[in-house]
Amino acid sequence: GQNIDQPTEMTATEGAIVQINCTYQTSGFNGLFWYQQHAGEAPTFLSYNVLDGLEEKGRFSSFLSRSKGYSYLLLKELQMKDSASYLCAVMDSNYQLIWGAGTKLIIKP
Amino acid sequence: DGGITQSPKYLFRKEGQNVTLSCEQNLNHDAMYWYRQDPGQGLRLIYYSQIVNDFQKGDIAEGYSVSREKKESFPLTVTSAQKNPTAFYLCASMTGDNGPQHFGDGTRLSIL
Repeated sequence: GQNIDQPTEMTATEGAIVQINCTYQTSGFNGLFWYQQHAGEAPTFLSYNVLDGLEEKGRFSSFLSRSKGYSYLLLKELQMKDSASYLCAVMDSNYQLIWGAGTKLIIKP
Repeated sequence: DGGITQSPKYLFRKEGQNVTLSCEQNLNHDAMYWYRQDPGQGLRLIYYSQIVNDFQKGDIAEGYSVSREKKESFPLTVTSAQKNPTAFYLCASMTGDNGPQHFGDGTRLSIL
């Protein structure tokens, strides 16, 4: 079966760095996506990785290792507004997105 | 501004009633999707459409129906056969095969 694993919840301090991990087992691979979802709102797109390595976008970076079925989202200089759920999703061989359950990130002052 | 509009934001369903959730996009995207999100779970695919007048069942299509008569519109009907409809429903669209999906603001459906 297809499976995406992420930690359920993480806590970090304002101004710090946090790494959210995602491991996956899917039928084929056509890219990995990270989304941010604030409580009660729709997900918004953060990043896309299809090749191994690190993609950096401001305070957010995402890393992919296809051989290990592993990705992480790195958030630097954490702000209170970063408190949200972070969803990992993998596009399979049929170009359908398989979604993880999300990681709830709690930022403390 | 281009985007995806879902309506209504909140919807209440009575026993035995069918309800329709609206999804309209002006992004000129070919593919459109309906997901259901329950607390603590990932998004689950209900139906998707990659072209007008064609749609495919997702993982949890039972109790739901869709139509795609226009490129811009992909309404979802939650039928009385769906016994546990309370959830957050998200509509998304995508251009190309592997671009990011973009979401509407969602509709929260509850049972009266």
